[in-house]
Amino acid sequence: GAGVSQSPSNKVTEKGKDVELRCDPISGHTALYWYRQSLGQGLEFLIYFQGNSAPDKSGLPSDRFSAERTGGSVSTLTIQRTQQEDSAVYLCASSSPTRVQETQYFGPGTRLLVL
Amino acid sequence: SQKIEQNSEALNIQEGKTATLTCNYTNYSPAYLQWYRQDPGRGPVFLLLIRENEKEKRKERLKVTFDTTLKQSLFHITASQPADSATYLCALDKAGYSTLTFGKGTMLLVSP
Repeated sequence: GAGVSQSPSNKVTEKGKDVELRCDPISGHTALYWYRQSLGQGLEFLIYFQGNSAPDKSGLPSDRFSAERTGGSVSTLTIQRTQQEDSAVYLCASSSPTRVQETQYFGPGTRLLVL
Repeated sequence: SQKIEQNSEALNIQEGKTATLTCNYTNYSPAYLQWYRQDPGRGPVFLLLIRENEKEKRKERLKVTFDTTLKQSLFHITASQPADSATYLCALDKAGYSTLTFGKGTMLLVSP
């Protein structure tokens, strides 16, 4: 079946602009995660959605970052007033309702470059 | 504070040899530990999960050990192939949280 998809695959923007990154999780997966991976760095957890529960936003680096998940499926990560340090690969992952804390399936990521 | 450490230096080995990668952690009491593979330009791919009450887990040419006393996991690839060249990440769950914390990964380069 289809895996996790993300769009766009690449995004170049100017400092100060807002960007929206989209994630389509695997159908039926109730858990959805956003991570950020900067060059040479590990995955940095940003936000976690599980079903209808309030999201875990503990990893969001500033109030310029927000995310929504509509209808328990597609998620959008929004970065307002982008800064150069926001340049990174943004990865989305989802996991099955029966294995929420276990295997995560990752999308290919969105490479964001802020000029 | 909690820390996950993986060798930042790339591991270079010859085809056919066994590759051994290390994941050390401090101030964690994970219920399980996972290993992922990441190729350039792609998202990580799940390989193996080992629980705290398991000493060893195998899958084809892969073997993972988990020593909760040493707070260490070893990841072995036997009969390595150039196609095994990638970055390997370990990840731990965090008690009370539904998320994983990832190490920075170790790059493995297998030469023909």
